[in-house]
Amino acid sequence: AQRVTQPEKLLSVFKGAPVELKCNYSYSGSPELFWYVQYSRQRLQLLLRHISRESIKGFTADLNKGETSFHLKKPFAQEEDSAMYYCALRGGNFNKFYFGSGTKLNVKP
Amino acid sequence: GAVVSQHPSWVICKSGTSVKIECRSLDFQATTMFWYRQFPKQSLMLMATSNEGSKATYEQGVEKDKFLINHASLTLSTLTVTSAHPEDSSFYICSATLTSGRLHEQYFGPGTRLTVT
Repeated sequence: AQRVTQPEKLLSVFKGAPVELKCNYSYSGSPELFWYVQYSRQRLQLLLRHISRESIKGFTADLNKGETSFHLKKPFAQEEDSAMYYCALRGGNFNKFYFGSGTKLNVKP
Repeated sequence: GAVVSQHPSWVICKSGTSVKIECRSLDFQATTMFWYRQFPKQSLMLMATSNEGSKATYEQGVEKDKFLINHASLTLSTLTVTSAHPEDSSFYICSATLTSGRLHEQYFGPGTRLTVT
């Protein structure tokens, strides 16, 4: 069965510090992995996806199939990065999404 | 960009009544929409997959007779919570799939806050 695990509920860092939000997954096939972000009082929006191998707002994430991980990283956190971050896996019929429990990132000034 | 709307944004209903929530893709057609439920400070739980012109498929543990889904057109899916009870109070979120070639992009609605008294 598919599963997405985000072990940290809350991550607090100071502005300018590196940040890493952890995500591990289990899936029998070849999944697509995503990171979604939800800023305060806003809807969920796509941050990045593993197939694009892109950097969005300074964030990157590398899919490690050996470790079944898709950790989100940013070298220098900014206050505006404070938000809820959800790791998601897409797979199976109808390309369903399965979300992790989310990590709240709090970047302190 | 693609926009998904939900109506109403919040609703209060009495226990035992039914409430309908609409999910619309405003500027694109979506053959597939998803319905999620989010409890406070928790993740999104996939409830069901709504397919235009066919029956919805429900995730394990979700009562299909309790949560009726109708995907009547390529731009509209509705979720009806029947005989609502206080434990159905939650934040309900829909998403719609925009398909372009081999790319399937997911766009989320703003959510509907349901409070059952």
